[in-house]
Amino acid sequence: LAKTTQPISMDSYEGQEVNITCSHNNIATNDYITWYQQFPSQGPRFIIQGYKTKVTNEVASLFIPADRKSSTLSLPRVSLSDTAVYYCLVGDLNNNDMRFGAGTRLTVKP
Amino acid sequence: DTGVSQDPRHKITKRGQNVTFRCDPISEHNRLYWYRQTLGQGPEFLTYFQNEAQLEKSRLLSDRFSAERPKGSFSTLEIQRTEQGDSAMYLCASSPGTSGVEQFFGPGTRLTVL
Repeated sequence: LAKTTQPISMDSYEGQEVNITCSHNNIATNDYITWYQQFPSQGPRFIIQGYKTKVTNEVASLFIPADRKSSTLSLPRVSLSDTAVYYCLVGDLNNNDMRFGAGTRLTVKP
Repeated sequence: DTGVSQDPRHKITKRGQNVTFRCDPISEHNRLYWYRQTLGQGPEFLTYFQNEAQLEKSRLLSDRFSAERPKGSFSTLEIQRTEQGDSAMYLCASSPGTSGVEQFFGPGTRLTVL
């Protein structure tokens, strides 16, 4: 399974755009990239998933370059409630063995 | 509330005791997963079920850990002869269909072994 590397922590301010980059140099052909968000004392929550180029939904965008060796989660105009840990996962959708790393702890300040 | 539910939310036990946790997935979700999460780390996959069949259990931490999903609905995770190192949050998730496109997590059961 591809290993992922992301920053341990990031700080931002309300209203700013936040970009969290994840490196996955050994990504396989069948692997998808998935991001989850986790608040304290809660289970993770799915944010977005993609295979290549760009994916956008109501909460985030995911940018994946052509070589797929990295990906960037973009959160537009963050608020205090976006303070959480964000996990990047890479894997085959049929594998069902999701491997979370330590994630990126995002702190949004007023 | 139609999300994944877990019971109990908190469990305190003494070393050597057995504990059992229950997970009720979202109705009609075929797949059910168990994870363990320790402080400061991401969730660690333990096992999963497709309906009542346990398709992956090699990642269970030891033979003290076992899981069941007898009727393809709710699931239980049992830890026998608990050790202090078992103290963690135990998370359950479910997903529809036959692939793990999006997993819906429950609130977890926090286990403290004294």
